[in-house]
Amino acid sequence: EVQLVESGGDFVKPGGSLRLSCAASGFTFANAWMSWVRQAPGKGLQWVGRVKSKVDGGTADYATPVKGRLTISRDDSKNMVYLQMSSLKTEDTAMYYCTTGAGSAYKRHWGQGTLVTVSS
Amino acid sequence: DIQMTQSPSSVSASVGDRVTITCRASQGISVWLAWFQQKPGKAPKLLIFAASSLQSGVPSRFSGSGSGTDFTLTINNLQPEDFATYYCQQAHSFPPTFGQGTTLEIK
Repeated sequence: EVQLVESGGDFVKPGGSLRLSCAASGFTFANAWMSWVRQAPGKGLQWVGRVKSKVDGGTADYATPVKGRLTISRDDSKNMVYLQMSSLKTEDTAMYYCTTGAGSAYKRHWGQGTLVTVSS
Repeated sequence: DIQMTQSPSSVSASVGDRVTITCRASQGISVWLAWFQQKPGKAPKLLIFAASSLQSGVPSRFSGSGSGTDFTLTINNLQPEDFATYYCQQAHSFPPTFGQGTTLEIK
């Protein structure tokens, strides 16, 4: 059974930093592209970024609103993906979901989410 | 970025009804489209991929159609557990983009 478990969400002040983690199991993690999607309170879904598998280059791509402030990385030895967030803004307040297609282009698997609140 | 526009934004229906939600892409995306269901406090759940393929475990009352720029999600014989918010998402071009969501409410 595929499982994605996010952690690290917290209450932070504007300008602060935070690292979110996603622990993956139940599929061949090293081959999977991993993405983060966020959802502001009462709003829709917004794709944040992704990291490709090492065999596909291992590079990360980001949505324009977060480029330069968020960094996605992966540790295939631990089946973990991370979202390092810096220079946080109030508009970054959201539930952050880890998601993957586990070999598919479609996001079949989602974690339960971790909440980030940015407020003074 | 490709813009995805859903209509309606919300719809009221009764158990047993048939409901159709539409999604329009700002440019052609072939059949690179997914539909998700999200219930309050829960993560999104993939229902349909490749515009019309039913994800494993999803009831057959859900169906998807369309290609190019216009897509539909149809739910036949609405059940109480179907009242939720539905999102379309294109997987054709980077970055992936979602529609704004359609909330299905009980009449």
